[in-house]
Amino acid sequence: GAGVSQTPSNKVTEKGKYVELRCDPISGHTALYWYRQSLGQGPEFLIYFQGTGAADDSGLPNDRFFAVRPEGSVSTLKIQRTERGDSAVYLCASSLGGVGSYNEQFFGPGTRLTVL
Amino acid sequence: ILNVEQSPQSLHVQEGDSTNFTCSFPSSNFYALHWYRWETAKSPEALFVMTLNGDEKKKGRISATLNTKEGYSYLYIKGSQPEDSATYLCAPNSGGSNYKLTFGKGTLLTVNP
Repeated sequence: GAGVSQTPSNKVTEKGKYVELRCDPISGHTALYWYRQSLGQGPEFLIYFQGTGAADDSGLPNDRFFAVRPEGSVSTLKIQRTERGDSAVYLCASSLGGVGSYNEQFFGPGTRLTVL
Repeated sequence: ILNVEQSPQSLHVQEGDSTNFTCSFPSSNFYALHWYRWETAKSPEALFVMTLNGDEKKKGRISATLNTKEGYSYLYIKGSQPEDSATYLCAPNSGGSNYKLTFGKGTLLTVNP
């Protein structure tokens, strides 16, 4: 079956521009996550959606970052006024969700964002 | 912030060698530990979810053990093959949560033919 897909696979932008990164989760997965991997680091949690709502956005680094999931499926991560420090691989994952489950997360291939 | 350490950072082995790496994490508020394999230009692939102290899981030539009391997990690969070359990431659930993962920096394994 189809896994998690992310578009674009690569994005190069200039400092100060706005970017949108898209994630298509596995069909039927109610939980969706965004992580960011900067060079030399492990993936770092950004935000978690349960259905349409952001249940935990504590990992978003500042108010330039925003994510939506309006219909409980596709999600878009939006970054305003990009900075060179935003350059990273942005990973999306989805899981079945559910209270008390171990929520095995299935990852997409990531979007590599480069801010010049 | 959960401190997750993985060692070694990188490892080069010859085809056929067996190898192992370590993940250490705070033992308090443990919920589960996840191991992933991440090959370049591909999606991170889930290997194991480990939940109980003393757990041992196996998938083909790869196995893992868990010690929640002392806060560590070992991943073993028997008879390494070039296709095992990847970054191996461990991630405990943060602070007892059932959704937030905190990843280590990973161990980069290169298997030479």
